[in-house]
Amino acid sequence: GAVVSQHPSRVICKSGTSVKIECRSLDFQATTMFWYRQFPKQSLMLMATSNEGSKATYEQGVEKDKFLINHASLTLSTLTVTSAHPEDSSFYICSASGRPPENSPLHFGNGTRLTVT
Amino acid sequence: AQSVAQPEDQVNVAEGNPLTVKCTYSVSGNPYLFWYVQYPNRGLQFLLKYITGDNLVKGSYGFEAEFNKSQTSFHLKKPSALVSDSALYFCAVRPSTSGGSYIPTFGRGTSLIVHP
Repeated sequence: GAVVSQHPSRVICKSGTSVKIECRSLDFQATTMFWYRQFPKQSLMLMATSNEGSKATYEQGVEKDKFLINHASLTLSTLTVTSAHPEDSSFYICSASGRPPENSPLHFGNGTRLTVT
Repeated sequence: AQSVAQPEDQVNVAEGNPLTVKCTYSVSGNPYLFWYVQYPNRGLQFLLKYITGDNLVKGSYGFEAEFNKSQTSFHLKKPSALVSDSALYFCAVRPSTSGGSYIPTFGRGTSLIVHP
């Protein structure tokens, strides 16, 4: 089946530093990737939708200058949390859509647990 | 606009008993419906989907779901629960009409706890 690899699985960083999270689709071409944030015992919060070769579309309330998303190829999307603060600590999950886009399941990475100290 | 409702935050069931996790939806056009499972500190795993055809859909790990158009429901079921089924379950809908990315909408999740 389709596999999405997300790295790192866990990262601890100091306040004010930046962290990059990578999401790779290993055996299929992901024209669209979604980035989610999940708080404890809560549902997924969509942060942005990323289409290959174009700028990401951010959801309302998500700061695009803080959460930089790059989707440079059909197999790689990155999320960079810039100048991280403790309130950015969360579980971040990427997912990639197969084809056809409307009725294909999403394939999820295993998530990144970010802790900002 | 589309929406998904999972009315139960938590479902408790004894091992060996049948389980049901409820989901209702609202969407324009034909619904494309999905169930995912999430284990602690992991991403979501796809279980099954309904696109068209038979209302009873079978998926991974012995799970199945029944699409009911009149009740706009897509409940997840399993005849005999296992302790290892304990996890967080998400129902999702994707729009069938063109919208570019076909952004899915997820329910808030239901925690399934299977007691030995």
